[in-house]
Amino acid sequence: QVQLQESGPGLVRPSGTLSLTCAVSGGSISTHNWWSWVRQPPGKGLEWIGHIYHTGSSYYNPSLKSRVTILVDKSKDQFSLELRSVTAADTAVYYCARNWDRWGQGSLVIVSS
Amino acid sequence: QTVVTQEPSLTVSPGGTVTLTCAFSTGAVTSDCYPNWLQQKPGQAPRALIYNTNNRQSWTPARFSGSLLGGKAALTLSAVQPEDEAEYYCLVLSSGAWVIGGGTKLTVL
Repeated sequence: QVQLQESGPGLVRPSGTLSLTCAVSGGSISTHNWWSWVRQPPGKGLEWIGHIYHTGSSYYNPSLKSRVTILVDKSKDQFSLELRSVTAADTAVYYCARNWDRWGQGSLVIVSS
Repeated sequence: QTVVTQEPSLTVSPGGTVTLTCAFSTGAVTSDCYPNWLQQKPGQAPRALIYNTNNRQSWTPARFSGSLLGGKAALTLSAVQPEDEAEYYCLVLSSGAWVIGGGTKLTVL
């Protein structure tokens, strides 16, 4: 059974770059799926950040597009999220997901000095 | 910007039936939008319930059903159980981008 696990720093300085990795186990990332990042600010709803297909084609939330990059590393069966120029508004639990049927447990990232 | 609207909150009695809806700001929700429904309980990651309008995940109880209703995506819960109390999110695909609704907090009371 495919499992996903997020990893990365839990604290990022304002104006810095948030970087997270999602490791895929129990299956290959090189399959006909899309791999997504979703975030949830404390006490608020879910927000789609973007996704990437196994081919490398990516799509981003228009409101975040200028600051986001999602990449896939087939050799390591993982995909990554980079969010630049962060502010306190980017504080959230960040989830990775395969299609929508498999989710990581989430990684809390706090933006603070 | 495309917005997906859900009822902020609904209350249902145990054993009852409730329908949650999902409306698109740009027009009708159709099967081409591949509507999905997620359930999230406090402190947990979301869990997929329904994909592509009306297909249950293998773990989704039969009391959950998805449909299109009057230009909206709909999630109907029948014979509601106390454990169905949760936040429910719909997701629709628009021009290659997913849009997530604001969520419906379902209270079973």
